[in-house]
Amino acid sequence: EDQVTQSPEALRLQEGESSSLNCSYTVSGLRGLFWYRQDPGKGPEFLFTLYSAGEEKEKERLKATLTKKESFLHITAPKPEDSATYLCAADNYGQNFVFGPGTRLSVLP
Amino acid sequence: EAGVTQFPSHSVIEKGQTVTLRCDPISGHDNLYWYRRVMGKEIKFLLHFVKESKQDESGMPNNRFLAERTGGTYSTLKVQPAELEDSGVYFCASSQDQGGTQYFGPGTRLTVL
Repeated sequence: EDQVTQSPEALRLQEGESSSLNCSYTVSGLRGLFWYRQDPGKGPEFLFTLYSAGEEKEKERLKATLTKKESFLHITAPKPEDSATYLCAADNYGQNFVFGPGTRLSVLP
Repeated sequence: EAGVTQFPSHSVIEKGQTVTLRCDPISGHDNLYWYRRVMGKEIKFLLHFVKESKQDESGMPNNRFLAERTGGTYSTLKVQPAELEDSGVYFCASSQDQGGTQYFGPGTRLTVL
């Protein structure tokens, strides 16, 4: 069965303290790996799509990378406004996404 | 460009009642998806439309759930009769291409008492 896991479940950082979030996937075939940000009471907001191992994408303080088994979301010098739940989802050539449970990130000033 | 919109934002109903959720996708997006997140669990796929046709409804929990997309524009998801375990947040997403980026709406929080 296709599965996506994320770690850690929750992460507290001080402002400026860089870290990484992990997304591990086990799917029959990966068409794309998607990262979303979700704020409380809102829908997931698209961040990145990665299609092949070795690919990297950057946006402001965020950088996403992909290997054959996992993806990392690196957060450099985070700010309080980066606090959110970060979700990854695998498109397994099916009709839909398989989501991970998310990582709740809190960045303290 | 307007994003995906969903109505209502919240709904509180009694067990046994009927509720209809609506989703308006991004204009021009043929692919429309419904997902659900129940308390403490990850977002789970319910079904996928391509235009007005159901492409995949393998995630629909049972026959109390009925989704339609008349005319290939907006979609409705009806729950009849609602049960306690149907409580959760229902998300709609749309994409231009199958396998492309899915853009999500804000969700409808459904509470069944």
